[in-house]
Amino acid sequence: NAGVTQTPKFQVLKTGQSMTLQCAQDMNHNSMYWYRQDPGMGLRLIYYSASEGTTDKGEVPNGYNVSRLNKREFSLRLESAAPSQTSVYFCASSPGRDSNQPQHFGDGTRLSIL
Amino acid sequence: RKEVEQDPGPFNVPEGATVAFNCTYSNSASQSFFWYRQDCRKEPKLLMSVYSSGNEDGRFTAQLNRASQYISLLIRDSKLSDSATYLCVVNMWNDMRFGAGTRLTVKP
Repeated sequence: NAGVTQTPKFQVLKTGQSMTLQCAQDMNHNSMYWYRQDPGMGLRLIYYSASEGTTDKGEVPNGYNVSRLNKREFSLRLESAAPSQTSVYFCASSPGRDSNQPQHFGDGTRLSIL
Repeated sequence: RKEVEQDPGPFNVPEGATVAFNCTYSNSASQSFFWYRQDCRKEPKLLMSVYSSGNEDGRFTAQLNRASQYISLLIRDSKLSDSATYLCVVNMWNDMRFGAGTRLTVKP
């Protein structure tokens, strides 16, 4: 049982390049999330998907887009990467948005924008 | 004011010590509360949920004070393996807000 799997684990981009971060969960969870974590700050929510077919903005959505491809997969896309998007990105899932259950995290993608 | 505030530390304690972390939150309508542990360059992992009556899991005790809007984590008999960053998480309708974390180093 892999839980939440993220790819890639590391990536270096040049300013203006685009890329997609992939996330998949095998726990049959309804809700999925993308966070970024920067030094000295808590995790901040970028986008979430409460259930298959829906996506909503979180606290810091600018510069990102997401796709909930199916129940298992939730991808995050940077259309034109900027140095301010250098961060560690975590995907998470939970049983449901109104369940008040804890979230389970993938092991992160370390992204550097030069 | 940040929605969830924690003392960043670092807390440096000897093995066997008892250490306590506090966390305050701003939204009185918050519904559920958690402590996560995050090792260096790793993902956050759930340590324990925090219940209204307080709860214990081995050497770890969590308390919630809704009136004062803070939660606490007590670690007894600290082990070297307890060295990590501890994240306070406050949840309202699954809108989870994370504290920046408190760093703990347990030394021999």
